[in-house]
Amino acid sequence: GQNIDQPTEMTATEGAIVQINCTYQTSGFNGLFWYQQHAGEAPTFLSYNVLDGLEEKGRFSSFLSRSKGYSYLLLKELQMKDSASYLCAVLGSTLGRLYFGRGTQLTVWP
Amino acid sequence: DTEVTQTPKHLVMGMTNKKSLKCEQHMGHRAMYWYKQKAKKPPELMFVYSYEKLSINESVPSRFSPECPNSSLLNLHLHALQPEDSALYLCASSRDRNQPQHFGDGTRLSIL
Repeated sequence: GQNIDQPTEMTATEGAIVQINCTYQTSGFNGLFWYQQHAGEAPTFLSYNVLDGLEEKGRFSSFLSRSKGYSYLLLKELQMKDSASYLCAVLGSTLGRLYFGRGTQLTVWP
Repeated sequence: DTEVTQTPKHLVMGMTNKKSLKCEQHMGHRAMYWYKQKAKKPPELMFVYSYEKLSINESVPSRFSPECPNSSLLNLHLHALQPEDSALYLCASSRDRNQPQHFGDGTRLSIL
């Protein structure tokens, strides 16, 4: 079966840095995606890793180690608007079928 | 704002009604998707279309019927739904099936 694990909840303060981890076990690997979802809204695409290493996009970075089945999303200079659920999703051997983790609810305090 | 447009934004229907959800994108994406999402859960894949052909059906009940009239449009026809079908229905598209998926704002569906 497919297994995507990420913490259920995290908290941090404004201006801080937070790292959200994701581990996965899937049959095949064609990429790992991070999405942000505010309550009552649709998921928004944040980042995409298909090769090992770090991808940086402004305040957000994502890292992938395929040998370890591990990724993290790093959020810098946290703002209140970053309070949301962050979804880790893996594209396995069947193209088009994303396996989602249960999401990490991040709360940013002033 | 997203570049994937879904209509209607909200829909309330009885169990005997027939209605359709619509999704449109003009990004030239060749893969389109339907997802169902319940509160505090991740999206669940329902259907995948690739180059206007159905490529994945995740054993969805026949009361949900997808249609892809052309490369920009995706419909989901609903008939005889159950109360447990109440959820947020999300459409997504991607350049191809191995590329990032971009979601529309969703249709919030309530079945009475």
